[in-house]
Amino acid sequence: DAKTTQPPSMDCAEGRAANLPCNHSTISGNEYVYWYRQIHSQGPQYIIHGLKNNETNEMASLIITEDRKSSTLILPHATLRDTAVYYCIVRTRLESQAGTALIFGKGTTLSVSS
Amino acid sequence: GAVVSQHPSRVICKSGTSVKIECRSLDFQATTMFWYRQFPKQSLMLMATSNEGSKATYEQGVEKDKFLINHASLTLSTLTVTSAHPEDSSFYICSARASHTEAFFGQGTRLTVV
Repeated sequence: DAKTTQPPSMDCAEGRAANLPCNHSTISGNEYVYWYRQIHSQGPQYIIHGLKNNETNEMASLIITEDRKSSTLILPHATLRDTAVYYCIVRTRLESQAGTALIFGKGTTLSVSS
Repeated sequence: GAVVSQHPSRVICKSGTSVKIECRSLDFQATTMFWYRQFPKQSLMLMATSNEGSKATYEQGVEKDKFLINHASLTLSTLTVTSAHPEDSSFYICSARASHTEAFFGQGTRLTVV
């Protein structure tokens, strides 16, 4: 069973905020939420991850609901170069430390247009 | 972030021949490397996990005799597609990680078998 559910596609106007949702209703207390993106014909790129607090870095912000059953990745000012497939992945710290592979779902294809 | 380099970025080979893809971690020692395959409009599918100095662990349905993986050093892993056929045409992506770090991805290799 998939651990996360994401909409297959979203559109966003250039310069506007892109809000990408992810449902992970079966997440357990020791599981983190990770976001990666894959620009066409490139390898995936790490964006951000969090446990329960909201996180922000130079690329994006991650908002996790209080019950941790869903989260939203926010690109505050989307550009054409943000057009990509965005993957939301849930995994434990132990999986990260043990070096188990990332398992990718279908993700959300974000199309940013001018 | 850390740099993972794949070579070549794209390759065309004749059916029945073998092709080797290299994955190098340029600025860190990769204790674990992963190989993924991605068909058009699909997500990444994990093929195998390799730890330096030991045999690779292949995912169910991936033929180990067809997809030879060598991880002989802490900075280099190779994937050899033996006796390639047109159905092996795909986008192959490697990722590498050091101990207790997240994985970083190469830029991918587009293989076309004609």
